[in-house]
Amino acid sequence: AQSVTQPDIHITVSEGASLELRCNYSYGATPYLFWYVQSPGQGLQLLLKYFSGDTLVQGIKGFEAEFKRSQSSFNLRKPSVHWSDAAEYFCAVAQGATGGSYIPTFGRGTSLIVHP
Amino acid sequence: GAVVSQHPSRVICKSGTSVKIECRSLDFQATTMFWYRQFPKQSLMLMATSNEGSKATYEQGVEKDKFLINHASLTLSTLTVTSAHPEDSSFYICSARSGTSGNTYEQYFGPGTRLTVT
Repeated sequence: AQSVTQPDIHITVSEGASLELRCNYSYGATPYLFWYVQSPGQGLQLLLKYFSGDTLVQGIKGFEAEFKRSQSSFNLRKPSVHWSDAAEYFCAVAQGATGGSYIPTFGRGTSLIVHP
Repeated sequence: GAVVSQHPSRVICKSGTSVKIECRSLDFQATTMFWYRQFPKQSLMLMATSNEGSKATYEQGVEKDKFLINHASLTLSTLTVTSAHPEDSSFYICSARSGTSGNTYEQYFGPGTRLTVT
């Protein structure tokens, strides 16, 4: 079965500093990988996704993530964090299946705190 | 594009009553809709998957008779929490997927519904 591990419950960074949120997955074949952001009391917004091709994926809001098969990781990065980036971040993994009937599994989330 | 709405955003109900939550895809046809439950500071737990015109597929441990899901059209799914109890209080999020072609199968999430059972 597929699983996702986000080892950091909280991450605190200063505004303007760089950010890396970790995500490790467990799945035998090439997974479909996602990062979502959730602001308080809101639904999830897709930041970026990886299905195939270039392992460095660019997303919205200046985020990027790199798929590393050898490490089973899909870490999210941003070179300079803004105060508005403070939110909950979820990594998700899904397996492709015939007909595309996949269902993603979410990690427990990482709460990003941004200090001025 | 790809907007999903939920109604209501917040609801408070008394124990023993039922409450219905609507999930709508506003600008696309959702062949599949998902219902999630999220506890504070925790991840999303998939409750059920529904395809338009079919019965919902519930995840293990989710009571079918308590959480009634109807996906009557390609733009509307409803979740009814029957005989609600305080432990049903949670944040319920729906998502929708068109799944029409290719490898995208991207899910679009609604803003969530905060249910409080008193």
